[in-house]
Amino acid sequence: DTAVSQTPKYLVTQMGNDKSIKCEQNLGHDTMYWYKQDSKKFLKIMFSYNNKELIINETVPNRFSPKSPDKAHLNLHINSLELGDSAVYFCASSQEWDSNTDTQYFGPGTRLTVL
Amino acid sequence: AQSVAQPEDQVNVAEGNPLTVKCTYSVSGNPYLFWYVQYPNRGLQFLLKYITGDNLVKGSYGFEAEFNKSQTSFHLKKPSALVSDSALYFCAVRDSYSGAGSYQLTFGKGTKLSVIP
Repeated sequence: DTAVSQTPKYLVTQMGNDKSIKCEQNLGHDTMYWYKQDSKKFLKIMFSYNNKELIINETVPNRFSPKSPDKAHLNLHINSLELGDSAVYFCASSQEWDSNTDTQYFGPGTRLTVL
Repeated sequence: AQSVAQPEDQVNVAEGNPLTVKCTYSVSGNPYLFWYVQYPNRGLQFLLKYITGDNLVKGSYGFEAEFNKSQTSFHLKKPSALVSDSALYFCAVRDSYSGAGSYQLTFGKGTKLSVIP
């Protein structure tokens, strides 16, 4: 059973388009995250949700809008895609948001390529 | 502020030899340290973490890590490397003094491990 799953795995699109990436976790966790991994493999957190509420919103362009319909799902919608949005986007989840000792579990990633 | 450094972009080791992937950290309070591995075209997989207690932490796939407070290090080790260990390894840290609303993991830039047959 896949603990954290993302769809699609690959996404190729044109500049200016709007696209969404979906994430689901079946671990019963309360907290979910979106990370961006750039071409140099650097990982940076974008958003964190706890029980459908936004907890962390790093300095991400407002073209990026996360949505959490329930605590098992966290989707990422991106408007007006730009070349610089090309990256691998990882979803992750953890049991709690306010625990220093909690482990985050990652999905397989979505490779977004903007042409 | 919390930060983590992985001083080596790449580590090459012969199969069967011991391997070490280095990580140093900086925190204001107590560190909570994690190692993840990323195989090509895959997500990050949790290997092990240090919270408190024994400085030697054992994790998945035969990996272990040693916490050294005086050297602010948390190096990942394995006694005998396998070709299948070739991957990208990330160290991450949380600071006990992060403050409310800021329990984020800060990741190092990653170290590429290549195990040569």
